[in-house]
Amino acid sequence: QQPVQSPQAVILREGEDAVINCSSSKALYSVHWYRQKHGEAPVFLMILLKGGEQKGHEKISASFNEKKQQSSLYLTASQLSYSGTYFCGTEQGAQKLVFGQGTRLTINP
Amino acid sequence: NAGVTQTPKFRVLKTGQSMTLLCAQDMNHEYMYWYRQDPGMGLRLIHYSVGEGTTAKGEVPDGYNVSRLKKQNFLLGLESAAPSQTSVYFCASRLGTSNQPQHFGDGTRLSIL
Repeated sequence: QQPVQSPQAVILREGEDAVINCSSSKALYSVHWYRQKHGEAPVFLMILLKGGEQKGHEKISASFNEKKQQSSLYLTASQLSYSGTYFCGTEQGAQKLVFGQGTRLTINP
Repeated sequence: NAGVTQTPKFRVLKTGQSMTLLCAQDMNHEYMYWYRQDPGMGLRLIHYSVGEGTTAKGEVPDGYNVSRLKKQNFLLGLESAAPSQTSVYFCASRLGTSNQPQHFGDGTRLSIL
């Protein structure tokens, strides 16, 4: 039931782009994206609901393909502050979120 | 507005001891969750609650019990701690519908010796 994230880790230079993918074998009601800095709590980024919508937050956007049960997070012109571990959380019903194993993103100057 | 508060922040236990982790939220959220986070494993759901007086099992419930006697509080208990329960525990809450985010507490770092 745990969604699968890819890649597991990414290293970028500041200004480069990144894509993080999240796939589930189960039908999804929604997909949530969070970012966690080392030693801190996960922080909410965005939610995507059924309908294939794409949402954006400054230079971070995401898409949700309901038919494929996949979501992708796009980070454009990455900044040092984007470093951290990104988690997707999938809602498969029953009011609970199941999280992927995380993707560690490192941004170097 | 404190959000989600976890108590304690750190704790060291000996194998076989018991303890209770407290999660309190002041946002009038219906849903509350307990996760554990281990290196490379992401956030794994232990137990959750969709309202006062209700609880349900998550992915890794064995060795843990929970109670939601009051809407604002969600307690996680370890009856007989084991070294495998060494982890960082996060509590989260949310309003109660699919389009609402989860708000996380700062975590409790628990070591079982």
